[in-house]
Amino acid sequence: NAGVMQNPRHLVRRRGQEARLRCSPVKGHSHVYWYRQLPEEGLKFMVYLQKENIIDESGMPKERFSAEFPKEGPSILRIQQVVRGDSAAYFCASSLDRRVGTEAFFGQGTRLTVV
Amino acid sequence: GENVEQHPSTLSVQEGDSAVIKCTYSDSASNYFPWYKQELGKRPQLIIDIRSNVGEKKDQRIAVTLNKTAKHFSLHITETQPEDSAVYFCAASIAGMINSYDKVIFGPGTSLSVIP
Repeated sequence: NAGVMQNPRHLVRRRGQEARLRCSPVKGHSHVYWYRQLPEEGLKFMVYLQKENIIDESGMPKERFSAEFPKEGPSILRIQQVVRGDSAAYFCASSLDRRVGTEAFFGQGTRLTVV
Repeated sequence: GENVEQHPSTLSVQEGDSAVIKCTYSDSASNYFPWYKQELGKRPQLIIDIRSNVGEKKDQRIAVTLNKTAKHFSLHITETQPEDSAVYFCAASIAGMINSYDKVIFGPGTSLSVIP
């Protein structure tokens, strides 16, 4: 389960800057999910990606947020023109199989602080 | 869509006592219910899951029960230890080929403190 790597672990950005969060899934996993966790709240689904495809982005804010999972390299969650309300922990998870019931393994998260 | 509620939001127990966390869900079609444990500053980790074809599942000091009629399920931790202190998340979804993990809906979490 140590295979999902997220970086950076902590990220501080000033309002208006861009934040780029990276996630390398478990080797061999082609399904990646991003979640946002606000203080004292649960995990809120943002986006589900497979290699080079966005499968479900129903949890993504319509503006400023984007995600990609290129053929080579990690998945990237990009937040443009960050605002204080974007401060949260962002987790990615990966799974071998898309089916519910197949365990998704989480990374340790990136804690974004917007000052 | 599915909605998952979880109670209590915080729970403190003495070491050795039992802890119970309860969740309810809204979609009667849901049939897969995982529980995740998240220690402070660490990643959520699956600790146990249950499917709707069983009413109870146990793994050492942890057990989960499911009542499909009432649409609620519970996590029971017996003989609690300080290392059980963490945030616990329940979740609900519909298992099967047509559904992928993005459809797993998490509850808001319960912060459990085990007092030595």
